[in-house]
Amino acid sequence: AQTVTQSQPEMSVQEAETVTLSCTYDTSESDYYLFWYKQPPSRQMILVIRQEAYKQQNATENRFSVNFQKAAKSFSLKISDSQLGDAAMYFCAYRLSNDMRFGAGTRLTVKP
Amino acid sequence: DSGVTQTPKHLITATGQRVTLRCSPRSGDLSVYWYQQSLDQGLQFLIQYYNGEERAKGNILERFSAQQFPDLHSELNLSSLELGDSALYFCASRGQGANEKLFFGSGTQLSVL
Repeated sequence: AQTVTQSQPEMSVQEAETVTLSCTYDTSESDYYLFWYKQPPSRQMILVIRQEAYKQQNATENRFSVNFQKAAKSFSLKISDSQLGDAAMYFCAYRLSNDMRFGAGTRLTVKP
Repeated sequence: DSGVTQTPKHLITATGQRVTLRCSPRSGDLSVYWYQQSLDQGLQFLIQYYNGEERAKGNILERFSAQQFPDLHSELNLSSLELGDSALYFCASRGQGANEKLFFGSGTQLSVL
């Protein structure tokens, strides 16, 4: 079974600074999809960014970018110019066909 | 608005009871996923349906069951409820493209007293 590990239960960043959230996963497959979801206090799940495993280029979405290391099975999220509204739980997710699994999450605090 | 509708938003019940959570996917989405999120925990995958058929199963208890109907809405049935079943239950739907993301509903908060 695929597993997703987020080794940082909590992270903190100063407003306007950069923070990186870690994620590793376990798979024997070569073609899969990776996602980062954000869950603010409202508890709504919001997609931040996604990456197709067959693409070597790292995905970027405005201030959010990933460092995808396929051989290392690592998928970290970098948030640049952190804003107060970035404070949330962040979940890394792996999807293979119909099966989509989430990590335990990292709680990000943004300090003004 | 994700386009995924979950009802009810809140549900309070007693131990031993049975409840049904309902989910309407986005228009055109055939896949429906159910997840359980306990307080301050991650999302635990329960089950997934595609066009009425069960396609993937996670750590779903035997007391729980689900189905997807011909109109593609889905229901999650929880029976013999225990205090530990209190959680936020998410439904999500996905389009048919291989790289499609999951669109989440706003969840049903279940409180078992």
